[in-house]
Amino acid sequence: EVQLVESGGGIVQPGGSLRLSCSASLFTFTNYAMHWVRQAPGKGLEYVSAISSDGGKTYYADSVKGRFTISRDNSKNTLYLQMRSLRPEDTAVYYCVRAPYDQILYSWFDPWGQGALVTVSS
Amino acid sequence: QSALTQPASVSGSPGQSITISCAGTSSDVGSYNLVSWYQQYPGKAPKLMIYEGSERPFGVSTRFSGSKSGNTASLTISGLQAEDEADYYCCSYAGSATYVFGTGTKVTVL
Repeated sequence: EVQLVESGGGIVQPGGSLRLSCSASLFTFTNYAMHWVRQAPGKGLEYVSAISSDGGKTYYADSVKGRFTISRDNSKNTLYLQMRSLRPEDTAVYYCVRAPYDQILYSWFDPWGQGALVTVSS
Repeated sequence: QSALTQPASVSGSPGQSITISCAGTSSDVGSYNLVSWYQQYPGKAPKLMIYEGSERPFGVSTRFSGSKSGNTASLTISGLQAEDEADYYCCSYAGSATYVFGTGTKVTVL
């Protein structure tokens, strides 16, 4: 069964940085675009970012544009989300999600990782 | 991009059918046949239940079905079971690699 395992979550002060990783296994990582979706405590889902299978195309929601950077290392089957200038409103569980194919367009999300909690607080 | 509008809660008795609506606009739900639905239990990751408006992934019960009319998509759960009690979210493609989620609906089995 496809596995996505996030790591790197934790507590960080406002203005700080954190890098999330998502380790993928049991599928050919290089064939699929990947996404990040987050969920604030007790709230709904929010789309964050996407990257195509070869890393050539990326997308960011307005709420994180200029502060977050998505990347991938296909040799390590790993997806990353570098988060800078973090704000309290970035506090959320961050999910790594696979796309159905290699592009970030026209997608749905399946499967989902277990999530990594990021808490931004002083 | 504003969130798609879902009812906060829907309830039904075992065996009944319920329908969850997902209201969008002509820029998202109305423009693309790319609405997906997700089931989420407390403390767990979401699970894909419907994609491309009405397609079921392998392994998802046939009791779950999706449809769309104009700018509104719907998820119907027939033969409601206790295990269906969860939160449900719709999501639509909105063009230019953007996606918008619904506000979420809590399903309660009476």
